[in-house]
Amino acid sequence: NAGVTQTPKFRVLKTGQSMTLLCAQDMNHEYMYWYRQDPGMGLRLIHYSVGEGTTAKGEVPDGYNVSRLKKQNFLLGLESAAPSQTSVYFCASGDWTLAKNIQYFGAGTRLSVL
Amino acid sequence: GQNIDQPTEMTATEGAIVQINCTYQTSGFNGLFWYQQHAGEAPTFLSYNVLDGLEEKGRFSSFLSRSKGYSYLLLKELQMKDSASYLCAVRSNAGNMLTFGGGTRLMVKP
Repeated sequence: NAGVTQTPKFRVLKTGQSMTLLCAQDMNHEYMYWYRQDPGMGLRLIHYSVGEGTTAKGEVPDGYNVSRLKKQNFLLGLESAAPSQTSVYFCASGDWTLAKNIQYFGAGTRLSVL
Repeated sequence: GQNIDQPTEMTATEGAIVQINCTYQTSGFNGLFWYQQHAGEAPTFLSYNVLDGLEEKGRFSSFLSRSKGYSYLLLKELQMKDSASYLCAVRSNAGNMLTFGGGTRLMVKP
């Protein structure tokens, strides 16, 4: 039971470099989310998707792009990394069919931008 | 917008009971969630309230008062493994998105 899988787990970037974070879920969930978690600030929503081919902005979308080409995958891209993007990134998925729409989280990606 | 407040840190003794409070202000309430997050790990779902009252699940209970914008998570018979951060999150009617509080770090001491 893989659930939500994020790759990579750790990454160090230099300012200006680009990278893509991959999130994959095997629960057939319609909804997927990208959050960042910084000390003392809780989880903040970056972008989300309500289904294949759709994306929408969350609370802190600037500097990030996303794509949902396949239902099971949700990619988060940083085109030109900045030190302010040093954070722990979590992906989550959920489904309204259970009314509650519990979000299930991946293990996180720890990103440092130097 | 939404505003969610919870204490930053709490300390309790093994075997005791602890209550973690969460207050919120939101436009269009559509459910409140509690998640547990151990250091360096992913958040995991604990409880969900959408109607007023108490939801009990084993050693954990969660209470909601919509009129007061208030919830609490009650942990009974504390164990050392309960040392973790507890995240309060509110879902609004505007889409299926959660807004999280900053989390409460609970330390359980012997």
